[in-house]
Amino acid sequence: AQSVTQPDIHITVSEGASLELRCNYSYGATPYLFWYVQSPGQGLQLLLKYFSGDTLVQGIKGFEAEFKRSQSSFNLRKPSVHWSDAAEYFCAVASWRGNEKLTFGTGTRLTIIP
Amino acid sequence: DAGVIQSPRHEVTEMGQEVTLRCKPISGHDYLFWYRQTMMRGLELLIYFNNNVPIDDSGMPEDRFSAKMPNASFSTLKIQPSEPRDSAVYFCASRGLAKTSTDTQYFGPGTRLTVL
Repeated sequence: AQSVTQPDIHITVSEGASLELRCNYSYGATPYLFWYVQSPGQGLQLLLKYFSGDTLVQGIKGFEAEFKRSQSSFNLRKPSVHWSDAAEYFCAVASWRGNEKLTFGTGTRLTIIP
Repeated sequence: DAGVIQSPRHEVTEMGQEVTLRCKPISGHDYLFWYRQTMMRGLELLIYFNNNVPIDDSGMPEDRFSAKMPNASFSTLKIQPSEPRDSAVYFCASRGLAKTSTDTQYFGPGTRLTVL
């Protein structure tokens, strides 16, 4: 069965600092990988996704993620965070043949300090 | 496009009452998903439909929960009778036909349910 681990429950960074959120997945074949963001009181919004090809994926709002098969990781990065990036971030994985069933990690809450 | 629409946004009810949550998927999407989000269990898939047909309801917690999709533009999630442990945020999501298996799910804003 597929699974996702987000080891960091809560991260605090200063505005303008770089950010890396960790995600490790468990799946036997090539996975579909996603990062979603959830602002307070809002639904989930897709930041980026990986299916195949270039292992460095660019997303919206200046985010990027790198797929590393050898480490079973799909970490999310941003070179300089803005106060508006404060939110909850979810990594998710799905099987190759159709992605009907997404398995989500437990999320990482990001706090930005001035 | 208006995105996935859910109603109501907030629902407060008393234990034992029937609760109905509603969802309108994005037009043209043929997959619809219901999720539940709680602090304890995170985000869980309850059930999903393809072309209005339930495909996998293994995540539905109990017989008190039921979901229907009478047509391509409307789905309901019903809890009868409701219990305090059902308090959560319920999300609906939709997805288009995966011709290349690359489509992704688009989430609604959620319904925050509180059962007293």
